[in-house]
Amino acid sequence: GENVEQHPSTLSVQEGDSAVIKCTYSDSASNYFPWYKQELGKGPQLIIDIRSNVGEKKDQRIAVTLNKTAKHFSLHITETQPEDSAVYFCAASISYQLIWGAGTKLIIKP
Amino acid sequence: EAGVAQSPRYKIIEKRQSVAFWCNPISGHATLYWYQQILGQGPKLLIQFQNNGVVDDSQLPKDRFSAERLKGVDSTLKIQPAKLEDSAVYLCASSDSFSSYEQYFGPGTRLTVT
Repeated sequence: GENVEQHPSTLSVQEGDSAVIKCTYSDSASNYFPWYKQELGKGPQLIIDIRSNVGEKKDQRIAVTLNKTAKHFSLHITETQPEDSAVYFCAASISYQLIWGAGTKLIIKP
Repeated sequence: EAGVAQSPRYKIIEKRQSVAFWCNPISGHATLYWYQQILGQGPKLLIQFQNNGVVDDSQLPKDRFSAERLKGVDSTLKIQPAKLEDSAVYLCASSDSFSSYEQYFGPGTRLTVT
């Protein structure tokens, strides 16, 4: 079945710098790749997603890139702010079910 | 639009006791999911409903876990008897249809089994 690996497990960046989180997936049939942000005590919140027919998508300070050949996708956050501190999860979807990565704890240093 | 509601937010029980969690999805959402999220891990799907029917319960430990969505709206997840390893956050999510990718999550119920 599908397997999603996510790196790094923890990422600490200076406020204002960029952050990049990477995920790889195993099943080439996966066709939808969302990113979720989870703050302490809350459920995951969808922040951006990309479908397999698109290579890149951007929404203000966040962007996602997808390399179908290499089977990996990445989340890019520019000009990081304190409110970006959270755990970020990538996922891959086959048949509308999500297989999740283990998460990346993003720490924004003042 | 109101989000996904879950209750209780926190629950502490002793092993071998039973517990039930409730979820009310976003109005009009036909698909409902229950996930288990162990500390430090991503969510793991337990069961998926389409209206009041089960689409997938392959990862639900059926000897102790049960779930229902009788009228195709609210859902209840039950654990009986609970084990220490059931300590986790139980998340409910909904989407507007079976063929919709976007899932919207509730705040979760944190279960501690002692």
